Amino acid sequence: EDQVTQSPEALRLQEGESSSLNCSYTVSGLRGLFWYRQDPGKGPEFLFTLYSAGEEKEKERLKATLTKKESFLHITAPKPEDSATYLCAVQAPAAGGSYIPTFGRGTSLIVHP
Amino acid sequence: GAVVSQHPSRVICKSGTSVKIECRSLDFQATTMFWYRQFPKKSLMLMATSNEGSKATYEQGVEKDKFLINHASLTLSTLTVTSAHPEDSSFYICSARTLWIEAFFGQGTRLTVV
Repeated sequence: EDQVTQSPEALRLQEGESSSLNCSYTVSGLRGLFWYRQDPGKGPEFLFTLYSAGEEKEKERLKATLTKKESFLHITAPKPEDSATYLCAVQAPAAGGSYIPTFGRGTSLIVHP
Repeated sequence: GAVVSQHPSRVICKSGTSVKIECRSLDFQATTMFWYRQFPKKSLMLMATSNEGSKATYEQGVEKDKFLINHASLTLSTLTVTSAHPEDSSFYICSARTLWIEAFFGQGTRLTVV
């Protein structure tokens, strides 16, 4: 069964203190690993898609990387507005030829000023 | 990124009534739409997957007669919560996707049943 595990569950940082969030996965035939940001009371906002090991993508203070077993979301010099829950999802072929994303439980990030 | 509009964002209804939530992909055709339920401080719980023109596939434990899903066009899916009860109060979120690329989410609907 496909599994996605995110760590840590919660992370508190001081403004400017860089860190990384982890997403470990076990799937057969990965067809994309996705990172989303979710603010309280809102739907998840798409951040990145990674398709193959070695791939990296950046957006402002965020950088996502992918290996064959895990993905990291690096946050460089975070600001309070980066506080949110970050969700990781993997997509792989399911029964019947469909593709259903499997989500991790998320990492709740709080950045203190 | 692509835009998915979900409406309403908040709804309060009386116990026993039905509520319809709409999910529209505004700038792309969504061959697949997903409906999720999210409890406070919990991750997304997939309720059902719907493909345009076919019946929705419900996850185990989700009552298909209570949560009616219609995906009549490539840009619109609806979730109807029938005979709602207080335990159906939750945050419902849709997402839309073309083929097997990334899915984009709506803003979510906060349903409160009183």
